[in-house]
Amino acid sequence: GAVVSQHPSRVICKSGTSVKIECRSLDFQATTMFWYRQFPKQSLMLMATSNEGSKATYEQGVEKDKFLINHASLTLSTLTVTSAHPEDSSFYICSAGRSNQPQHFGDGTRLSIL
Amino acid sequence: GENVEQHPSTLSVQEGDSAVIKCTYSDSASNYFPWYKQELGKRPQLIIDIRSNVGEKKDQRIAVTLNKTAKHFSLHITETQPEDSAVYFCAASRQNSGGYQKVTFGIGTKLQVIP
Repeated sequence: GAVVSQHPSRVICKSGTSVKIECRSLDFQATTMFWYRQFPKQSLMLMATSNEGSKATYEQGVEKDKFLINHASLTLSTLTVTSAHPEDSSFYICSAGRSNQPQHFGDGTRLSIL
Repeated sequence: GENVEQHPSTLSVQEGDSAVIKCTYSDSASNYFPWYKQELGKRPQLIIDIRSNVGEKKDQRIAVTLNKTAKHFSLHITETQPEDSAVYFCAASRQNSGGYQKVTFGIGTKLQVIP
């Protein structure tokens, strides 16, 4: 089956640090990658949709200058949380897909800002 | 935009019994409905999906039904086992003008199977 790799799995850093999370589709070319945020015991909230070679589409309420998304190739998308603060602590999950195919999720990144 | 409602939020069943989780969606243009199982701290795993041109789909102990007219779909798990304990998310999706799917998730159902 399709494999999506997300790295790192866990980050603990000081407030004000920028953190980059990578999402790779290992055995297929993903035309679209999605970034989600999940708070404890809550659902997956879509943050942005990223298409290879174009700007990401952000959901309402998500600051594009805070959460920088780059989708440079059909197998790699990155999410950078700039100047992270404690309220940014969460579980971030990416998923990758192709038109008309199911999404496949990465393992997630647990971000803790001290 | 799409709105997906899911219930119940928690469900406890005895091992061997059936479990049913129900979802409704608002966007009649949605045409793809996946179900995901998420264990604590792990990624959501696709367990079954259904497209709008099908009313029912079954895979061993898991089945999903779709009523397009009423805009609701359900997950049925028969002969539940303790390893079925997890959080289950329904989702609704549609192709948009960009050709990709935007998926809206339900709030999740925490299923506990009691041995």
